[in-house]
Amino acid sequence: DAGITQSPRYKITETGRQVTLMCHQTWSHSYMFWYRQDLGHGLRLIYYSAAADITDKGEVPDGYVVSRSKTENFPLTLESATRSQTSVYFCASRSSGAPTGELFFGEGSRLTVL
Amino acid sequence: QKEVEQDPGPLSVPEGAIVSLNCTYSNSAFQYFMWYRQYSRKGPELLMYTYSSGNKEDGRFTAQVDKSSKYISLFIRDSQPSDSATYLCATTHSGTYKYIFGTGTRLKVLA
Repeated sequence: DAGITQSPRYKITETGRQVTLMCHQTWSHSYMFWYRQDLGHGLRLIYYSAAADITDKGEVPDGYVVSRSKTENFPLTLESATRSQTSVYFCASRSSGAPTGELFFGEGSRLTVL
Repeated sequence: QKEVEQDPGPLSVPEGAIVSLNCTYSNSAFQYFMWYRQYSRKGPELLMYTYSSGNKEDGRFTAQVDKSSKYISLFIRDSQPSDSATYLCATTHSGTYKYIFGTGTRLKVLA
């Protein structure tokens, strides 16, 4: 199906474990983003990517790693999960030709770190 | 001080009411202003987008930007129970891909 999909939708893990959240989009959008959403903080940018092999830090990058070897995929890895990383994670994409602001979001990945 | 401030609510209104949702921002360089709607356990979706100051209308929704007071508003006329969601304001400026979001206002429209 066309669109942007995230997996897994729900994940429970333990402190210190490595976790990878997957994001796949079928539009060939140039720009992709990872946000986390927490009560009282709203959406905060973790990392973004302007194209394959081009990534940059956002507002809260510590403890996260990203890669973008293919345009359509933008995985987010928590190398050693901490309880403070319990959150809902959203992947988003934007076409380079679209007016500023047209971010398309996935359904979210709800992560709990015990 | 956060770059974008938004009252988290919750805001409860009866069906048919006019709803006013608001945000303030601090950076005068912001030029693009958006409203996203987010249903429970779903991703945000773009509702309205405006550039610089002025009004934009789309059906029952009107977005308003006052750059002189750094104030962003979303008005919903004839509100419906299906409008119950969290509304997030967002802003950015040219030359960056970083969007700054408000914390969101939770709206409940009672039938």
